[in-house]
Amino acid sequence: DIQMTQSPSSLSASVGDRVTITCRAGQSISTYLNWYQQKPGKAPNLLIAAASNLESGVPSRFSGSGSGTDFTLTISSLQPEDFATYFCQQSYFTPYTFGQGTKLEIK
Amino acid sequence: QVQLQQWGAGLLKPSETLSLTCAVYGGSFRGYYWTWIRQPPGKGLEWIGEINHSGGTNYNPSLKSRVTISVDTSKNQFSLILNSVTAADTAMYYCARPSYFGSGSYSTWGQGTLVTVSS
Repeated sequence: DIQMTQSPSSLSASVGDRVTITCRAGQSISTYLNWYQQKPGKAPNLLIAAASNLESGVPSRFSGSGSGTDFTLTISSLQPEDFATYFCQQSYFTPYTFGQGTKLEIK
Repeated sequence: QVQLQQWGAGLLKPSETLSLTCAVYGGSFRGYYWTWIRQPPGKGLEWIGEINHSGGTNYNPSLKSRVTISVDTSKNQFSLILNSVTAADTAMYYCARPSYFGSGSYSTWGQGTLVTVSS
């Protein structure tokens, strides 16, 4: 299995801050990397597919980059509704695997 | 717009069999790998396996000996069976559909079913 490691595990930030979350794959996965946002009691919501492709309806303050083993999710200016948990996921090889999550909390 | 609705028993005893079904409403049933994903309380996500409309499957090796995913194309439904459950199988179980054929990114999810394994 391909191991996915996110950092940090948790992050405190304020509205308006720029935030970056990192995801590292245990081997090269090209750009087969997806980002999800999950709020308590809800299913994950796909934000970015294929490392940098913003899903329809997702605000442009979200962006993704990277290839190979190192990837980032950036939120350019945090909004109150962005406080949630974020997961990366590789879709290069089955079994597809997820990072352990980054919990973004209000400072 | 495609929607997934899932159901199944939420409370099981150790050694029993977990059984969940997911119905697909709207959109095409063909051309996708229909997927099950689970999330233990307060933890991360685990990909369980997937099935296409023809019955072709891929399973997570960590669960392969206990998992069966099946499809009923006449009802646009797919199902998950997990045998011999233990407390470690306690989780929210989701069905999901990829964004497009061949994609492993999941844009559509069921509402989730919390399955608790307890004696």
